[in-house]
Amino acid sequence: AQKITQTQPGMFVQEKEAVTLDCTYDTSDPSYGLFWYKQPSSGEMIFLIYQGSYDQQNATEGRYSLNFQKARKSANLVISASQLGDSAMYFCAMREGHSSYKLIFGSGTRLLVRP
Amino acid sequence: GAGVSQSPSNKVTEKGKDVELRCDPISGHTALYWYRQSLGQGLEFLIYFQGNSAPDKSGLPSDRFSAERTGGSVSTLTIQRTQQEDSAVYLCASSWEGVGYTFGSGTRLTVV
Repeated sequence: AQKITQTQPGMFVQEKEAVTLDCTYDTSDPSYGLFWYKQPSSGEMIFLIYQGSYDQQNATEGRYSLNFQKARKSANLVISASQLGDSAMYFCAMREGHSSYKLIFGSGTRLLVRP
Repeated sequence: GAGVSQSPSNKVTEKGKDVELRCDPISGHTALYWYRQSLGQGLEFLIYFQGNSAPDKSGLPSDRFSAERTGGSVSTLTIQRTQQEDSAVYLCASSWEGVGYTFGSGTRLTVV
C-alpha cells in the first residue's frame, strides 16, 4: 500500500496566485513527521517545511504553509503569491515513528507557474 | 563538510560492469540514506545507515546492489553487473537522527 499519495501529477498556477498541492499519507504510528521538498530542474532537493504529528498548529515558512488535517491524514502544501521560480517538482515525504529515520516519498507534483 | 558530497556526478558504464558511487555526508550526521530516482519519478528508498550499521536494507532491488559505511562517515553504494534498468540518479542524504535531512546533488548513472 502507498504510504504517501500525491494525486496531482501536474498543476498550473498563475503568477501571484496561491496554489495547493495535495498529499495524503497512511500510517498507524501515532508519531510521525511530514516533509515537503522542492526539486527544480537542476535536480537538487530543497527542504521547504516540516509538520510533526503532535504539532498543534499548522507549520508555516514564509510563503509556504502546511494544511495539516490529522483525521483525514492529509498534509497539503499551500504556496501563496506564486512566483516563476516556484516552477518545479514538489515531493511530500513521511518519517514514521522513532524506529527508523528514513523518509518515504510520494510520486511528486510538477508545478508550472504561468506569467 | 558544509553539505553532502556525492561522486562522481555523472557515470556512464557498459552493461555488465560494476560501479561504485560515493557519498560524503555532513560531518556529525549519524544517519545516511540512499535513494534512486528514475527520470520523472519520485524517490525510491534503497538503504538507510545508522552509524555504520544498516538497520533497513529493504529497498535494495536485488543482490547486485550493496552498500557500506565506514567510520560513521563515507558510504559507498556498489552495483554489480549493471543493467540498463539501473540507469537513474542516485541520491544520498544525511541527517542527525531524524532532523536536518540534507541531500547531495546526486550521481547520474547511465548504463549503455
